[in-house]
Amino acid sequence: LAKTTQPISMDSYEGQEVNITCSHNNIATNDYITWYQQFPSQGPRFIIQGYKTKVTNEVASLFIPADRKSSTLSLPRVSLSDTAVYYCLVEGASGSARQLTFGSGTQLTVLP
Amino acid sequence: DTAVSQTPKYLVTQMGNDKSIKCEQNLGHDTMYWYKQDSKKFLKIMFSYNNKELIINETVPNRFSPKSPDKAHLNLHINSLELGDSAVYFCASSRQAYNEKLFFGSGTQLSVL
Repeated sequence: LAKTTQPISMDSYEGQEVNITCSHNNIATNDYITWYQQFPSQGPRFIIQGYKTKVTNEVASLFIPADRKSSTLSLPRVSLSDTAVYYCLVEGASGSARQLTFGSGTQLTVLP
Repeated sequence: DTAVSQTPKYLVTQMGNDKSIKCEQNLGHDTMYWYKQDSKKFLKIMFSYNNKELIINETVPNRFSPKSPDKAHLNLHINSLELGDSAVYFCASSRQAYNEKLFFGSGTQLSVL
C-alpha cells in the first residue's frame, strides 16, 4: 500500500520555481506516480505522470530518484494562476482501491 | 463540449431522503469512477466501473449504489441520506483501468440538512 505524504502548504512568489515533494516509501515495482492540480470548485486536473528518472511536459517536470521512494513536482516560473492544491497519486497495475485514493494534497499559494 | 459532466452541481436535501447524481463522459473511455472529497480535501475512491462492470467497490455504506447503464454513464444513488454524507462527489473517467490519467467532472456539492 503506497501511502503518500506531502507538505500541507507552500507559499511562493510569482516568477519563482516551485518544487513540491511527495514521499511514497512503500511504492511497488509496478506503481506509477501521477500529479494532479485542483482549483476551488473544480475537479482535479492531470499535470504529469512518470515511473522513473525525469519527465517533462509543457507545464511541469517530475523528478524521481532511483529508489522511487519520493518524487518532486517542479513548476517553473509560477504565476498567480498556479495557486491551487497539488496532489500526488501513486497507483499500481493491481487497480487497488486504496492506491487510487489521493492524499490531502499541498496547497500552493503564489503571492505577487 | 464538457468531457466529463455531472448533474446536479449542487444538491441540498434533508436527512433520510434518497437522491441521485448523474455522470456522463464523451471521451470514449472504458473506465469510470466515483470519488468523495471531504472537508479536509481528501479524495477517496468509492467505486469504479470498467466496461460497465464493477471493479472497485471500496468500503462504502450500502446506502450508496452505483449504476452504469452503458460505458459512457455512471450514476450514483444514495438512500437514506445522513449528515455525514455531506461532501463533494466527483465523477471521473480514464481510457483504461490502470495507470491512465483521470479526467474529472466539476463535482456535485451535496449538503444534507
